[in-house]
Amino acid sequence: AQKITQTQPGMFVQEKEAVTLDCTYDTSDPSYGLFWYKQPSSGEMIFLIYQGSYDQQNATEGRYSLNFQKARKSANLVISASQLGDSAMYFCAMREGGAGNNRKLIWGLGTSLAVNP
Amino acid sequence: DAMVIQNPRYQVTQFGKPVTLSCSQTLNHNVMYWYQQKSSQAPKLLFHYYDKDFNNEADTPDNFQSRRPNTSFCFLDIRSPGLGDAAMYLCATSRHKNPYEQYFGPGTRLTVT
Repeated sequence: AQKITQTQPGMFVQEKEAVTLDCTYDTSDPSYGLFWYKQPSSGEMIFLIYQGSYDQQNATEGRYSLNFQKARKSANLVISASQLGDSAMYFCAMREGGAGNNRKLIWGLGTSLAVNP
Repeated sequence: DAMVIQNPRYQVTQFGKPVTLSCSQTLNHNVMYWYQQKSSQAPKLLFHYYDKDFNNEADTPDNFQSRRPNTSFCFLDIRSPGLGDAAMYLCATSRHKNPYEQYFGPGTRLTVT
């Protein structure tokens, strides 16, 4: 069955340092997409980065990069040069299936990140 | 700026009193979703619309209904709110094409008294 696992309930990082948030997934579908979202205390869910299962390169968006290791079924989020505003809950999510019908996301339980000054 | 708007941001209702939450989008996306998120939990999908096609999740209680009168607007109706329905309700949209990243509104925090 499809599943997303985030094993770190909480993480701390010093400002300006890099941090890696772990995400492993389980699926039997060869075509899938992986997403990371940030949720600050205000509640809004903010899309950060996407990785498709057939993408050859690891996705990057500014300070965010996705360390995609397909054989290990992991999709870790790396935040470089942490800022105080990065303190938030981070969710990893997966969508199965290629372009077409499946629009539902499977969500992990989230990792709470605190950036220390 | 194109965006997803939810009103109100905070809603207080009484036990058993019907309540409607609203969502609008200027992204012209085909798909609109409603999620329920309780404290320290992941969002739970209630249902979604692909254009006018309504897709209900199997475990969504009958107490929750939705309407989408046009592309831009979608409503969540809770017919008889219980204390357990207190949560953040998130609306999201996505294009009809891959990779279906979802864009979320700011959420409505519902309190049931």
